[in-house]
Amino acid sequence: QLQLQQSGPGLLKPSQTLSLTCAISGDSVSSDNSAWNWIRQSPSRGLEWLGRTFYRSKWYYTYAVSVQSRITIIPDTSKNQVSLQLSSVTPEDSAVYFCAREVTLLRGVINPIDYWGQGAQVTVSS
Amino acid sequence: DIQMTQSPSSLSASVGDTVTITCRASQGISNSLVWFQQKPGKAPKSLIYAASSLQSGAPAHFSGSGSGTDFTLTISSLQPEDSATYYCQQYNSHPLTFGGGTKVEIK
Repeated sequence: QLQLQQSGPGLLKPSQTLSLTCAISGDSVSSDNSAWNWIRQSPSRGLEWLGRTFYRSKWYYTYAVSVQSRITIIPDTSKNQVSLQLSSVTPEDSAVYFCAREVTLLRGVINPIDYWGQGAQVTVSS
Repeated sequence: DIQMTQSPSSLSASVGDTVTITCRASQGISNSLVWFQQKPGKAPKSLIYAASSLQSGAPAHFSGSGSGTDFTLTISSLQPEDSATYYCQQYNSHPLTFGGGTKVEIK
């Protein structure tokens, strides 16, 4: 049974760096049948995909243009987790942040997300 | 970016009814579409992938259809536990994009 447990500070001040961790159990962060996505949800912006990483002999990363200059996704094989860092946050970055698994059904294409974590609420306020 | 437009934004139906939610993509996405269910404070749950394939563990009274730009989620024999918000999401290209959601209420 796959479990994705997000954790991290719930309250940040503007200009700080958001750092969240998604602990994976029931799968491997370096599995060649999975990719790991970060998605956020807020009342004002709806659901917004932020980026993903996966391992196929090396690590690959794709980031949304909207956050590309501020985002880093970091896989950690020793802890079997994937982290999200988002720098220079503003109140617009307040949202529930989800990690989600993308299951590889076909090679060489984007595959469907089949499992989501519970989410972590992040609020940015001075 | 591909825009995903869902309708209706909300609906109310009775137990046992059949309800239909539609999703339109701003450009063709083949069958690269998922539907998922979200209840307040809970993790979203995948129901349908590849537009019409039932996700393992999803109830069989959910079904999906469509290809290209127009898609449908059908909930047959609506159950009380189906009260939730439903979203479509395309995975034809990055960035992944989502519909605005349809809130289903049980009368």
